[in-house]
Amino acid sequence: RKEVEQDPGPFNVPEGATVAFNCTYSNSASQSFFWYRQDCRKEPKLLMSVYSSGNEDGRFTAQLNRASQYISLLIRDSKLSDSATYLCVVTTGGGNKLTFGTGTQLKVEL
Amino acid sequence: GAVVSQHPSRVICKSGTSVKIECRSLDFQATTMFWYRQFPKKSLMLMATSNEGSKATYEQGVEKDKFLINHASLTLSTLTVTSAHPEDSSFYICSAYKQGSGNTIYFGEGSWLTVV
Repeated sequence: RKEVEQDPGPFNVPEGATVAFNCTYSNSASQSFFWYRQDCRKEPKLLMSVYSSGNEDGRFTAQLNRASQYISLLIRDSKLSDSATYLCVVTTGGGNKLTFGTGTQLKVEL
Repeated sequence: GAVVSQHPSRVICKSGTSVKIECRSLDFQATTMFWYRQFPKKSLMLMATSNEGSKATYEQGVEKDKFLINHASLTLSTLTVTSAHPEDSSFYICSAYKQGSGNTIYFGEGSWLTVV
């Protein structure tokens, strides 16, 4: 079983749609959780951290369920510019070592 | 602007030659840097943890004699792919841990290596 699992997609959605991505992790000792965004042939960029209490940043909402070892990302009012691959990332063993999911590809269309 | 810089961004080399990729932290000191590789449509896979002034820690399955890592200063880590083969063609990315400011990890822009 992979440490971090995501549905690879692609998710093809119309502009303005709401889309949700899920991620599960296998190591119950995982400490920190993030969503990164990666554009084609570019480096990953931090989108947001994920907390058990849930957190929101504009159109983006992230949620962590430690009991189920499950992380989610909700994007509201999708924009064309949201098209990218979204990577679920967890840290273990001290917090600096990142483990990446395979990523979920999002394509927002007109 | 970038806080971690990688160079070169793209490199093509012949089989059997060696290629060096540099990773620099621009405005902070990084005692720890990480090297990843990513194949097309695949996830980033951690190759090794680069520790300033000491030997790198390699992940299982990564050949330390093939992927030489040197972290000689607090702002520079290098990855040398030795005796490159076409199957080494990949996207290599470094990251550095910046203490304070939320203890954020910053990524370099990545280096595309093509071995012909």
